[in-house]
Amino acid sequence: DAGVIQSPRHEVTEMGQEVTLRCKPISGHDYLFWYRQTMMRGLELLIYFNNNVPIDDSGMPEDRFSAKMPNASFSTLKIQPSEPRDSAVYFCASRQGFDTGELFFGEGSRLTVL
Amino acid sequence: DQQVKQNSPSLSVQEGRISILNCDYTNSMFDYFLWYKKYPAEGPTFLISISSIKDKNEDGRFTVFLNKSAKHLSLHIVPSQPGDSAVYFCAAKRVDSSYKLIFGSGTRLLVRP
Repeated sequence: DAGVIQSPRHEVTEMGQEVTLRCKPISGHDYLFWYRQTMMRGLELLIYFNNNVPIDDSGMPEDRFSAKMPNASFSTLKIQPSEPRDSAVYFCASRQGFDTGELFFGEGSRLTVL
Repeated sequence: DQQVKQNSPSLSVQEGRISILNCDYTNSMFDYFLWYKKYPAEGPTFLISISSIKDKNEDGRFTVFLNKSAKHLSLHIVPSQPGDSAVYFCAAKRVDSSYKLIFGSGTRLLVRP
């Protein structure tokens, strides 16, 4: 079974440009999470979905960030406009229902905003 | 306000010795704790967990200890191997939020041959 799939793996863009990160969760998982990893703050939860519905977006840093999950097999995280301080590795993770807490992470999307 | 803290950004240990990674938390509502391991250019992977009703959980070379009164947990790796070199993240879950994990900032472990 394929794991969580993220694209692109690397993205370099200029300040002000729109960035879209994509995620395909593990089939059958009904929870999807977006995390951001930075040197200073480690892994921060940005938003999570249950059955395609956003449940908690309190970690989204500002209105420039938005996330959608149009169906059970696809989610996007969009930054518009991007800024240099958004440079980080963005991870998508999924899990199944009532579980003990284990998340399955994708390999991450490394974003560099110049 | 970091609710889960890993105060040591890095740790270097000789192969065969014990590695001890520490984690402190501030929220008494946490009832489940996990350790994740991350290699470069890969996503974090689950390593071991412990419920707040226990004070120890062991899985092969990995043991997690929980001291609730001190709000402290630690991961022991014995014996340490070069392949254990990675970043280790501590994570916690609140009793009233089953699906949200709060992660620490990570500790980079280097096991020297």
